[in-house]
Amino acid sequence: GEDVEQSLFLSVREGDSSVINCTYTDSSSTYLYWYKQEPGAGLQLLTYIFSNMDMKQDQRLTVLLNKKDKHLSLRIADTQTGDSAIYFCAEEGPRGGGYNKLIFGAGTRLAVHP
Amino acid sequence: DVKVTQSSRYLVKRTGEKVFLECVQDMDHENMFWYRQDPGLGLRLIYFSYDVKMKEKGDIPEGYSVSREKKERFSLILESASTNQTSMYLCASRPQGNTIYFGEGSWLTVV
Repeated sequence: GEDVEQSLFLSVREGDSSVINCTYTDSSSTYLYWYKQEPGAGLQLLTYIFSNMDMKQDQRLTVLLNKKDKHLSLRIADTQTGDSAIYFCAEEGPRGGGYNKLIFGAGTRLAVHP
Repeated sequence: DVKVTQSSRYLVKRTGEKVFLECVQDMDHENMFWYRQDPGLGLRLIYFSYDVKMKEKGDIPEGYSVSREKKERFSLILESASTNQTSMYLCASRPQGNTIYFGEGSWLTVV
């Protein structure tokens, strides 16, 4: 079945790197996404990676994809207090009715402390 | 910038009331979605629509219905609200084959 799993909580010190991990089950996923949700707000797309890539870097963000292990990670370098949020991993699920379904994990709450 | 607008940010309704949650997008996207978000469960898809007047059930459609009379507007309807429908509801839209854009969310409390 389709499932995306993430740990629910991560605490880091300001200035350190944060690594948020995610595992997924559908090996046919074409895209994998990271979304950020700040308190009281909707989800904001942070970055995504195509399934034929191993790594994608975008400023402080690095996405690593291990397709063999179905493992995705998001690394945030020099973590700031403004990075405190919930981070959702999502995979593009099987196509059905002409639509690729996005399957979300439960979200990882990142807390950044001084 | 893509804009997905949910008209009500915070609502409090009584058990048994009919509830309408409205969502409008301004980018002529074909696909629109309603999710609910609960702590520890992530986002779960309620319904989606890939064209005007077209709708498909998501993973948890029970107790909900939807309406898409115009391309830019997708409404979620709770025919008879119950306390277990207290949640945050997120609307999203998406053009063909591209990433998904979310609204700010509607917090619904059913008492």
